[in-house]
Amino acid sequence: EAGVTQFPSHSVIEKGQTVTLRCDPISGHDNLYWYRRVMGKEIKFLLHFVKESKQDESGMPNNRFLAERTGGTYSTLKVQPAELEDSGVYFCASSQAPQGPYEQYFGPGTRLTVT
Amino acid sequence: LAKTTQPISMDSYEGQEVNITCSHNNIATNDYITWYQQFPSQGPRFIIQGYKTKVTNEVASLFIPADRKSSTLSLPRVSLSDTAVYYCLVGDSGNQFYFGTGTSLTVIP
Repeated sequence: EAGVTQFPSHSVIEKGQTVTLRCDPISGHDNLYWYRRVMGKEIKFLLHFVKESKQDESGMPNNRFLAERTGGTYSTLKVQPAELEDSGVYFCASSQAPQGPYEQYFGPGTRLTVT
Repeated sequence: LAKTTQPISMDSYEGQEVNITCSHNNIATNDYITWYQQFPSQGPRFIIQGYKTKVTNEVASLFIPADRKSSTLSLPRVSLSDTAVYYCLVGDSGNQFYFGTGTSLTVIP
C-alpha cells in the first residue's frame, strides 16, 4: 500500500511569489490533514478535510493560505503571496473514517523556503 | 484541545529500557493517547495508541493510569536507531492532533 506522498519535497521561492503544495493521501482515506512546522517551533495543525469538505480550518494562519481537496482525493495548499515567515516544513496526513481509534499517516513533508 | 507536556530531551545507553512520560491533565473523555516517532527530514510515524490501562505492540508499550492524566511510553532495549523525537498526542477521532515540543531521545553507544 502506497503511503502519503507530498510534492514537491523542497521549494525555494521569493517573497511575494505563489507556491502550491500537493498531498496525495492513502487511497480510501476520507480524512486529510495539513500541518506545518516553522523554524524552531512545534508542529501546528492547519486544517482538516473530510472528503472534499473542510471540517476544521481553525489553524490556517491567514487568508494567504488556501487549501482545496477536489473530489475528495488529493489536496493542494496554496500560499499567495508567500512571506518570509511562511518558511518551514508542511506535512500532510491522512486517516480512515473517524470511527473509533485510528492513526494519522504522515507524508514526508514539503520544505518551503521563502527568500 | 488537550495539550501535552513532555521532557524536552532524554539520553539512554544502548540496550536499556526507556520510559518517556507525558502529562495531559485536561484530557477529554473521548480522547485517545497516541505516540509518534519522528526522524530528521521525515514525517511523524505512528508508534502506539491507547485509551486506558496498558497497550503493547511489537515495538513499545503504553501505560495509562486510571485517571488518564498522564501516560508513559516504554521502549524496551533501545538501539542507536531509536534516536529520534517522540511526540505524545491527545485527541478525539476525527480531530486535529496537538503536537507539543516532543522528547528528543538520544541513544548512546
